[in-house]
Amino acid sequence: QKEVEQDPGPLSVPEGAIVSLNCTYSNSAFQYFMWYRQYSRKGPELLMYTYSSGNKEDGRFTAQVDKSSKYISLFIRDSQPSDSATYLCASYGSSNTGKLIFGQGTTLQVKP
Amino acid sequence: DTGVSQDPRHKITKRGQNVTFRCDPISEHNRLYWYRQTLGQGPEFLTYFQNEAQLEKSRLLSDRFSAERPKGSFSTLEIQRTEQGDSAMYLCASGPTGGETQYFGPGTRLLVL
Repeated sequence: QKEVEQDPGPLSVPEGAIVSLNCTYSNSAFQYFMWYRQYSRKGPELLMYTYSSGNKEDGRFTAQVDKSSKYISLFIRDSQPSDSATYLCASYGSSNTGKLIFGQGTTLQVKP
Repeated sequence: DTGVSQDPRHKITKRGQNVTFRCDPISEHNRLYWYRQTLGQGPEFLTYFQNEAQLEKSRLLSDRFSAERPKGSFSTLEIQRTEQGDSAMYLCASGPTGGETQYFGPGTRLLVL
């Protein structure tokens, strides 16, 4: 079992829809959770970073962590065609290394 | 631009050749990471540096792979005697000590023929 699991999709939604992207993780020691966006043939771009449980909002993006169920979510409101990309969740347990464990990535397509 | 830069962006080589990639991190970042990403997968950790010290290496990093970060600034990743299975995107990231955030470069795409 991978430490971070993510449905690869693809996920296709119409423009303006609310998008929900999800990951599960297995390591109880994980405390830091990130979402990265990756456009085709580009490096990952950091979108959101959260520590422990709770919600964090940044513009149209909301990251949510539920440590009791080991579930990580990213919500995108008013989705735009420019949001079409692969979304990667990542986590790590100790700031001593910062070694990120990534999910497989979910490919999102927002259709105009 | 003060982001992470990588060079070259693309590399095509023949099996058995040696290749070297360079990463220039964000200047104030002490930590530098190397990851490898294959098609349809998330990046996988290879190794990381705290300043010039290489502190952790993944078991993915076979003896053919070596990484350096002289003087704690830029880093190089060398692959000796390349194999077709080495074909991947090699990503570099940097971050502050404490490692809460990592910022990735554009990657070097390697194709081994």
